[in-house]
Amino acid sequence: EPEVTQTPSHQVTQMGQEVILRCVPISNHLYFYWYRQILGQKVEFLVSFYNNEISEKSEIFDDQFSVERPDGSNFTLKIRSTKLEDSAMYFCASSDSFKETQYFGPGTRLLVL
Amino acid sequence: SQKIEQNSEALNIQEGKTATLTCNYTNYSPAYLQWYRQDPGRGPVFLLLIRENEKEKRKERLKVTFDTTLKQSLFHITASQPADSATYLCALTSNSGYALNFGKGTSLLVTP
Repeated sequence: EPEVTQTPSHQVTQMGQEVILRCVPISNHLYFYWYRQILGQKVEFLVSFYNNEISEKSEIFDDQFSVERPDGSNFTLKIRSTKLEDSAMYFCASSDSFKETQYFGPGTRLLVL
Repeated sequence: SQKIEQNSEALNIQEGKTATLTCNYTNYSPAYLQWYRQDPGRGPVFLLLIRENEKEKRKERLKVTFDTTLKQSLFHITASQPADSATYLCALTSNSGYALNFGKGTSLLVTP
């Protein structure tokens, strides 16, 4: 069964450093998403991406964040200058059509020291 | 503001019993509602989607009801097993249709 994959599974970085989280969505899906989950809290929406542009973003997704689909298979989330409060699990998701079920990857655990 | 509320307290039940989890929402007019399962340190896994014109939906031992008048969904697991122990998340789509908004989830523990 096709699944969303994410790399790395764990990332430790120093405050102020840039990180790039990578995702390979399900191959025939057209809509891509990033979510985060701070330990003990709920899953929160960050951004959605369709047709090579951001379709929606939350208040969390400020200028420090950017997304890119550099090729036909990868979808990335970049945090330019990490802060302690960026420590969280980051989940990538994809869906094959608008307003339909989203399928999530296993997540990247980001720890900012 | 929009809210999705799930029982914050963990639900402990004995194997073989039926688990019932509740999701209440305010300030949404959802066309559908979804339930996901999340295991510790893992991503949400889709379980069921129920549309506004469906009162009930079943998948194997899972049953979901959706009452748009009460603004409530109930999620049932019948003949529960220890392997069903996880956190169950209720999710609604934002008005724009892109973002999924999740409740905090209800932790279910099924003991043998």
